[in-house]
Amino acid sequence: AQTVTQSQPEMSVQEAETVTLSCTYDTSESDYYLFWYKQPPSRQMILVIRQEAYKQQNATENRFSVNFQKAAKSFSLKISDSQLGDAAMYFCAYNGILAGNEKLTFGTGTRLTIIP
Amino acid sequence: GAGVSQSPRYKVAKRGQDVALRCDPISGHVSLFWYQQALGQGPEFLTYFQNEAQLDKSGLPSDRFFAERPEGSVSTLKIQRTQQEDSAVYLCASSPWQGHEQFFGPGTRLTVL
Repeated sequence: AQTVTQSQPEMSVQEAETVTLSCTYDTSESDYYLFWYKQPPSRQMILVIRQEAYKQQNATENRFSVNFQKAAKSFSLKISDSQLGDAAMYFCAYNGILAGNEKLTFGTGTRLTIIP
Repeated sequence: GAGVSQSPRYKVAKRGQDVALRCDPISGHVSLFWYQQALGQGPEFLTYFQNEAQLDKSGLPSDRFFAERPEGSVSTLKIQRTQQEDSAVYLCASSPWQGHEQFFGPGTRLTVL
């Protein structure tokens, strides 16, 4: 079974600064998808960024980028120029590629606070 | 278009009552998922449908939990004889195909007294 570990329950960052959230995972599969989801206090989960394991290039979405280290099974999220609206719970998630294994396995989350 | 919707948003049940939670996925999405999220935790998988077929129900915690998606669109998660440990937010998500992002609804917060 796959597992996802987020070792930082809480993080804080000054507005406009950069912060990195950590995620490690364990799997025996060679191909899979990794996601970072954001859950603001309203609780609607929204996608931040997606990485396909077979792609060596790290995914980027505007101020959000990942550092994907497949051999180390590490998938960290970097948020640049942090904004007040970035405050939320951030969840790292794993999605297998095998047919019938479409569920997301989530980490326990990191609560990000933005300091004005 | 509309996103994933769930109803009710909040449900309070007395211990032993049956509850039914509804999920309306995004139109055309083949895959539908139910997750349970305890306070301060990440969502945990309950069950998954591809169209009307329930392909994985390995996450359902007991036989009191039952889910269906009879016509391949709307899904209902039913919990019989609710217990206090069933208190959680129940999230529904849909996806057009495997590996695509899952789009989440706002959740139903269930409180069992």
